[in-house]
Amino acid sequence: QVQLVESGGGLVKPGGSLRLSCAASGLTFSDYYMSWIRQAPGKGLEWVSYISSSGSTTYYADSVKGRFTISRDNAKNSLYLQMNSLRAEDTAVYYCASSFLAAPSEDWGQGTLVTVSS
Amino acid sequence: DIQMTQSPSSLSASVGDRVTITCRASQSITSYLNWYQQKPGKAPKLLIYTASSLQSGVPSRFSGSGSGTDFTLTISSLQPEDFATYYCQQSYSTPFTFGPGTKVDIK
Repeated sequence: QVQLVESGGGLVKPGGSLRLSCAASGLTFSDYYMSWIRQAPGKGLEWVSYISSSGSTTYYADSVKGRFTISRDNAKNSLYLQMNSLRAEDTAVYYCASSFLAAPSEDWGQGTLVTVSS
Repeated sequence: DIQMTQSPSSLSASVGDRVTITCRASQSITSYLNWYQQKPGKAPKLLIYTASSLQSGVPSRFSGSGSGTDFTLTISSLQPEDFATYYCQQSYSTPFTFGPGTKVDIK
């Protein structure tokens, strides 16, 4: 079955950077779009970004555009999210998710917590 | 951006009850509407896609309907494992916005 495992979360100061990773198995990774979706503590879901199967197309929510960069390495079955200029409002559990098209997200990882605080 | 609303924000129900959750989009999204279930501390799980298609492995007591701007998720006979928060999401245009969620708990 599909397994998505996020890593790289942690505590970072405002203005700092963090790189999240998502290791995928159980699927032909290069056939699937991948997304990052986040959830602030006690809040709802917010779609952050997606990348096409080849990596040629990316989209970002306005709240992260210019600060976050999504990328993938199909040879390593891995997805990444480079997060720069982090703000307190970026504090959330970040989930990676796979989909045959850009949406819906069919399979999800367990999430990794990012806390932005001084 | 397309705004998604859900009603009610929460509901209390008993095992065996029929439960209906409504989702409304701020503009037409044709049938590009998905439903997810999330239990505390867990990742969301896809239940329904394109308004009415049941995701593989999801029990048939879950069903979805609607098109345009108004959509419904129905649980025909609520089971103990169905107590959770339910989110709708539009995938008609980016950003793929979610509704605020409907929490279903035990009466």
